[in-house]
Amino acid sequence: SQTIHQWPATLVQPVGSPLSLECTVEGTSNPNLYWYRQAAGRGLQLLFYSVGIGQISSEVPQNLSASRPQDRQFILSSKKLLLSDSGFYLCAWSTGTGGNEQFFGPGTRLTVL
Amino acid sequence: GQNIDQPTEMTATEGAIVQINCTYQTSGFNGLFWYQQHAGEAPTFLSYNVLDGLEEKGRFSSFLSRSKGYSYLLLKELQMKDSASYLCAVIRGGGYNKLIFGAGTRLAVHP
Repeated sequence: SQTIHQWPATLVQPVGSPLSLECTVEGTSNPNLYWYRQAAGRGLQLLFYSVGIGQISSEVPQNLSASRPQDRQFILSSKKLLLSDSGFYLCAWSTGTGGNEQFFGPGTRLTVL
Repeated sequence: GQNIDQPTEMTATEGAIVQINCTYQTSGFNGLFWYQQHAGEAPTFLSYNVLDGLEEKGRFSSFLSRSKGYSYLLLKELQMKDSASYLCAVIRGGGYNKLIFGAGTRLAVHP
């Protein structure tokens, strides 16, 4: 069966510090991978998606970046965090295109102080 | 532009039926999902509609009208554990399952 992992589960970082969040998927090959952010009381916002190794598409301009060094590994990074980067970060995967559901990881709660 | 609207909050009584509405205006449409999200947890899949009509799955049903840009999630025989946020999400055109999420509806079920 397929599983998706994210770490860390929670993170408190000062403004201006770097960030690295990791997501890995097991039990499937060549998944589509997604990073979402969920701010308090708001919907999920798609940040990045990837359809293969080294292929990253950005949905919104921001000070975050993503990388996919391996087929089932997706990393979200920042060189300098802003207060507005606080939120709940969710990684998700799906297969193929069209109406295939996305499966979400457990999320990382990031607080920037 | 892209717009998905859901009520912010709803309350209902245990054992009752509740309908959560979702209207959408998006550039392209390849289907609509409903997800359930308990506080502090990841969303979990409930239903998927791509054609007009009603999809039933146990206590949960979802309806879609593409011409009206409208969907609803129907929850029957409500249980306390159904207290959660319910997220409506539309697949945009262009493939790759890019989803646009509504802000979610927070449902509180009372005894």
